[in-house]
Amino acid sequence: AQSVTQLGSHVSVSEGALVLLRCNYSSSVPPYLFWYVQYPNQGLQLLLKYTSAATLVKGINGFEAEFKKSETSFHLTKPSAHMSDAAEYFCAVRESNFGNEKLTFGTGTRLTIIP
Amino acid sequence: KAGVTQTPRYLIKTRGQQVTLSCSPISGHRSVSWYQQTPGQGLQFLFEYFSETQRNKGNFPGRFSGRQFSNSRSEMNVSTLELGDSALYLCASSSGRQPMNTEAFFGQGTRLTVV
Repeated sequence: AQSVTQLGSHVSVSEGALVLLRCNYSSSVPPYLFWYVQYPNQGLQLLLKYTSAATLVKGINGFEAEFKKSETSFHLTKPSAHMSDAAEYFCAVRESNFGNEKLTFGTGTRLTIIP
Repeated sequence: KAGVTQTPRYLIKTRGQQVTLSCSPISGHRSVSWYQQTPGQGLQFLFEYFSETQRNKGNFPGRFSGRQFSNSRSEMNVSTLELGDSALYLCASSSGRQPMNTEAFFGQGTRLTVV
């Protein structure tokens, strides 16, 4: 069975500071990993995805994530936080079995940016 | 191209009633998944339809059902509504085909309130 753990339900960083949101996964088969962002009263928007092509994945809005198999981690980073980054972030895993579109989400991390 | 469209955006129903939510996927996508999002349980997978067939199912009671039409549009039905069914219901669209490195695109959701 697959699962995702996001450490820290709330993270606050100053504008211009490094953003680090943590995600650890558990999967019995090679996983596909995703980071989504959700703004208030909106759906989920894909930030980036890992599909085994490269361990360092670059996404939209300056975000990137590194897949580390030895640590079963897929942490999300951004070098310099912007006020518009304030939102909730979800890490998700999907097992790479054919016909399996089910995403398992972490509990989310609410990111607050301090001016 | 047009994104995932969910209707209605907001809905208020009385306990015991039933409700039907609609999702139109991205053109060409054949897989539609449904998720329930609540503050207490987070994002939980309900079910997935592919080419009019339910392909995956989460751990929800039988009151939750769905279907998919030949044009890939999907509906989700909840019967005998309970207060705990109040949630944001999200629909996700994906191609559903191999290779399994495609991402899911989410609609803005339907906010259901049961009173």
